[in-house]
Amino acid sequence: KFMLTQPHSVSESPGKTVTISCTGSDGSIARHFVQWYQQRPGSAPTTVIFADYQRPSGVPDRFSGSIDGSSNSASLTISGLQTEDEADYYCQSYDTISWVFGGGTKLTVL
Amino acid sequence: EVQLVESGGGLVQSGGSLRLSCAASGFTLTAYSMNWVRQAPGKGLEWVSSIIISGSTYYADSVRGRFTISRDTAKNSLYLQMNSLRAEDTGVYYCVRGPRSDCSGHDCYPYYWGQGSLVTVSS
Repeated sequence: KFMLTQPHSVSESPGKTVTISCTGSDGSIARHFVQWYQQRPGSAPTTVIFADYQRPSGVPDRFSGSIDGSSNSASLTISGLQTEDEADYYCQSYDTISWVFGGGTKLTVL
Repeated sequence: EVQLVESGGGLVQSGGSLRLSCAASGFTLTAYSMNWVRQAPGKGLEWVSSIIISGSTYYADSVRGRFTISRDTAKNSLYLQMNSLRAEDTGVYYCVRGPRSDCSGHDCYPYYWGQGSLVTVSS
């Protein structure tokens, strides 16, 4: 069964840049689109990156996505960190007919 | 504007049933693949079920045979009938739509999310 692995937590200071990784289990992460979702406490997830690197309207360009086929991983990079970026972040991809989510990464902006 | 509003959650005893509804607005629900995703308390996101434009349905192994996804054209609504509920079914259930009506496969990813409906199964 295809799985996505994320670090449990990351932390960084305001104004800095942080990167969250998402590694596929079977060497095929570049085969399907990867998405990223932000979830603040008590709220529903919202889309911050879709189709590997695209941003929905309204999402600041401080958020960027990338794929590295050689390491079988996707990354979400947030630059110019703000306290409002503190949230859980989930990566997501596709497996046959189902959606697969990473376990989530808690971002703390100290 | 796309809006998805879930309802029908609540407290139910183990072995009981519950039906979740998702009222869609801003688009015609039957022209899109629609999905349910859940989140257990303090845990991550888990895909539950999908219904595609043709009406074909798909389920996670953990709910197959117990849950049924359906839709109502006249009410522009999506449903999830949940039977034989277990404690591990407890969580927030989100109604989720993809980005476009013509998407398929990996091109049909979660894009629009409802606010969620809490289901609590007591043992």
